[in-house]
Amino acid sequence: EAGVTQFPSHSVIEKGQTVTLRCDPISGHDNLYWYRRVMGKEIKFLLHFVKESKQDESGMPNNRFLAERTGGTYSTLKVQPAELEDSGVYFCASSQEGTGDTGELFFGEGSRLTVL
Amino acid sequence: AQSVAQPEDQVNVAEGNPLTVKCTYSVSGNPYLFWYVQYPNRGLQFLLKYITGDNLVKGSYGFEAEFNKSQTSFHLKKPSALVSDSALYFCAVRDPGGATNKLIFGTGTLLAVQP
Repeated sequence: EAGVTQFPSHSVIEKGQTVTLRCDPISGHDNLYWYRRVMGKEIKFLLHFVKESKQDESGMPNNRFLAERTGGTYSTLKVQPAELEDSGVYFCASSQEGTGDTGELFFGEGSRLTVL
Repeated sequence: AQSVAQPEDQVNVAEGNPLTVKCTYSVSGNPYLFWYVQYPNRGLQFLLKYITGDNLVKGSYGFEAEFNKSQTSFHLKKPSALVSDSALYFCAVRDPGGATNKLIFGTGTLLAVQP
C-alpha cells in the first residue's frame, strides 16, 4: 500500500512568486492534515480536512495560504505571494480515524520550501 | 493551551549505552501522547503512543516511553542505543476532548549515537 506522497520534495522560489504543494493521502483516509516546520522550531499544525471539508483551519498563518481538497482525495496548499518567512518544510499527514479515536497519523516525507 | 516541551536540542550517547529523550507536556485533562521519529530525508514515522493503562509503553525499534502524570512527562527511552537510532525525535500531545485529532508537537531533539 502506498504511503502519503508529497510533491515537490523541494521548491526554491523568489519572494512574491507562487508555489503549490500537493499531497496524496493514503487511499481511503478521510482525514488529511497539513503541518509546517520552520527551521529549528516545532512542527506546527496548519489545517485539517475531513474528506473535502475543512474541519479546522486555525493554524493557517494568513490569507496568502489557500488549501483545497476537491473531491476529498488529494490536497493542494498554495502560497501566494510567498514571503521569506514561509520557508520551511511542509508536512502532510492522513488518517482513517474519526474524531476522538486514538490512532496515529501517517506522514509524508515533506515538501521543503525555500523562499529567496 | 496545550503545549509540549523538549528541553534538549541534541542528545549524544555512545552506542550500547542507554538513552533518554525528554518530553514534558501541558494539557488539561488526560492527554494522548505520541513519539515520532524522522530519519534523514524521510517523513515522520510513528514510534509509540500512550492513551491509557500501563504507564510504560513499548514501541517500534526497541523504544519505550514512560508516562508520569505527576511530573507531566513522557520521556523516550531505549536500554541500548544503536548508531542507526540517530535521527530527529518529536514528542506530541493530543487533547482527547478537542474537536479534531490535531497533534501539538515539540521542537524536536536530535539524537546522535556515536560508534
